[in-house]
Amino acid sequence: QKEVEQNSGPLSVPEGAIASLNCTYSDRGSQSFFWYRQYSGKSPELIMSIYSNGDKEDGRFTAQLNKASQYVSLLIRDSQPSDSATYLCAVSGGSNYKLTFGKGTLLTVNP
Amino acid sequence: NAGVTQTPKFQVLKTGQSMTLQCAQDMNHNSMYWYRQDPGMGLRLIYYSASEGTTDKGEVPNGYNVSRLNKREFSLRLESAAPSQTSVYFCASSEVGLFEQFFGPGTRLTVL
Repeated sequence: QKEVEQNSGPLSVPEGAIASLNCTYSDRGSQSFFWYRQYSGKSPELIMSIYSNGDKEDGRFTAQLNKASQYVSLLIRDSQPSDSATYLCAVSGGSNYKLTFGKGTLLTVNP
Repeated sequence: NAGVTQTPKFQVLKTGQSMTLQCAQDMNHNSMYWYRQDPGMGLRLIYYSASEGTTDKGEVPNGYNVSRLNKREFSLRLESAAPSQTSVYFCASSEVGLFEQFFGPGTRLTVL
């Protein structure tokens, strides 16, 4: 069974710091990797996708993928209190269009 | 565009009652999904529909049925609700060949 593991947190960082969120996955054949942000009481919102090894940057967010280590991470630079949320890692592979989600990491950014 | 919409937003049922959760998307996506989210358990896939006319079981299908009514609509039915089905239910959709899924606002269901 495919597994996606995340530290549950909470991860607490001061405003302006870099927040680092990590995710490991068990299926070596996984091909697509996603980060979702979920505010309390709201639905998951896609913020980053990455498909090849290396870094992908979008504004203050950087996703990093290392397929050999089966590891994907999300860096949030200049963290803001509005970044406080649960971050879900999701992994997919093959042709069945299904995603496997981690349980999420709760991030708190303190003013 | 409304994206993915779900009705109702909240529902309270008694054990043994039935209900249908509705989901619709206006993004012309082929694939649609139903998840439940419970504290400490993350998002778990109940059923999915890769394309109109097809449905398949996910990780936790017991106690649920689905109908892909057309390309836009995908409903989830609880025939005889149980307290273990108290959860937040999310519908999602994605384009064929792409794995990015877009979520609706959710239905918060309580079964007493």
